[in-house]
Amino acid sequence: DADVTQTPRNRITKTGKRIMLECSQTKGHDRMYWYRQDPGLGLRLIYYSFDVKDINKGEISDGYSVSRQAQAKFSLSLESAIPNQTALYFCATSNGGGRVTEAFFGQGTRLTVV
Amino acid sequence: QKEVEQDPGPLSVPEGAIVSLNCTYSNSAFQYFMWYRQYSRKGPELLMYTYSSGNKEDGRFTAQVDKSSKYISLFIRDSQPSDSATYLCAMSPTPNNNDMRFGAGTRLTVKP
Repeated sequence: DADVTQTPRNRITKTGKRIMLECSQTKGHDRMYWYRQDPGLGLRLIYYSFDVKDINKGEISDGYSVSRQAQAKFSLSLESAIPNQTALYFCATSNGGGRVTEAFFGQGTRLTVV
Repeated sequence: QKEVEQDPGPLSVPEGAIVSLNCTYSNSAFQYFMWYRQYSRKGPELLMYTYSSGNKEDGRFTAQVDKSSKYISLFIRDSQPSDSATYLCAMSPTPNNNDMRFGAGTRLTVKP
């Protein structure tokens, strides 16, 4: 089983619908992240969380919200989806500790908003 | 201007070739430099990381950082078809992953 699991893997939704992407991890890491990946733009950080009670905005948080339900679970919501939110979304985890640590990514959720 | 610029390619080379992948950046505060490899339909995985300037070698891979030119490189020697992937550079002013900025990624194909 993957260390970082994202569900669903693919989703097509209509403009204006609310949608939730879920992420769970078995790495025991405290820190979790949501990124989106667009061609030509690379990965951009949406939200991140350093522990269950900590939520922080990233570069591009407008139109998104998150919930950290447990140390192992971090979900991303699009309250009212719009076509320019069509992208590949990745959840990632890492340890903290003041030194560079590897970010472990899930396999991604391909979201299409029509 | 983007903080991190990376030529998206695609780049196609024959098996055994030396591959050079590059990124430039504008933020002089970046101190931590990383290369991630992303196979098709997979998430990125860390390949190499260097701190500040200099070279780092790991098997067939060498990462170079030239802070004076704001330029980083990843060299792949004796490239293999299994190296076919998208390579993302990433850099940060701090050790924290939330401060990382990614390049757009270069798509590499190594032909047998």
